[in-house]
Amino acid sequence: EAGVVQSPRYKIIEKKQPVAFWCNPISGHNTLYWYLQNLGQGPELLIRYENEEAVDDSQLPKDRFSAERLKGVDSTLKIQPAELGDSAVYLCASSSAGTGATEAFFGQGTRLTVV
Amino acid sequence: GENVEQHPSTLSVQEGDSAVIKCTYSDSASNYFPWYKQELGKGPQLIIDIRSNVGEKKDQRIAVTLNKTAKHFSLHITETQPEDSAVYFCASNTGGFKTIFGAGTRLFVKA
Repeated sequence: EAGVVQSPRYKIIEKKQPVAFWCNPISGHNTLYWYLQNLGQGPELLIRYENEEAVDDSQLPKDRFSAERLKGVDSTLKIQPAELGDSAVYLCASSSAGTGATEAFFGQGTRLTVV
Repeated sequence: GENVEQHPSTLSVQEGDSAVIKCTYSDSASNYFPWYKQELGKGPQLIIDIRSNVGEKKDQRIAVTLNKTAKHFSLHITETQPEDSAVYFCASNTGGFKTIFGAGTRLFVKA
């Protein structure tokens, strides 16, 4: 069974440009997460989806970040415009239950560098 | 707000020795405590977890202990091997809505 797939693996963009990340969760997982991981730190939740509904986006900087999960499967995370401080690894994860207290499976992440 | 503190930030051990990583959580409602291992260029991978109704759990060379009164939980790796070298994250979850991660421990196992 395929794991969580993210693309691209790496992205380098100039500041003020837009960027988008894509995630395909494990088949059948109704919960999808986007995390931000800064260098030397643990993942921090940006947004959590239950099916197609964003149930927790309190940590998403909505002035420049947006996300969607159409049809409750794949998801995209967008930044527009990107800032230097957005350089980080963006991780997508999925799990099979909505309670959150079950194993989350992570993708390999997208490393974003803003120059 | 909710917080998970993890120590040490870096740990270096000789192959065959034991490694212990300790975490403290702040939210008394937390009831699920996963541990993740992250290798370079990869996403975190669950290695063991424990729920609040259990004080200890073991899986081969890895064990986790939980002290709910003190809000402490620890990861123990015995007979360490070079392939155990990675960054380890503890986390806590209140059973519903948000997993809070520690800052990570970079473990070096010297051959």
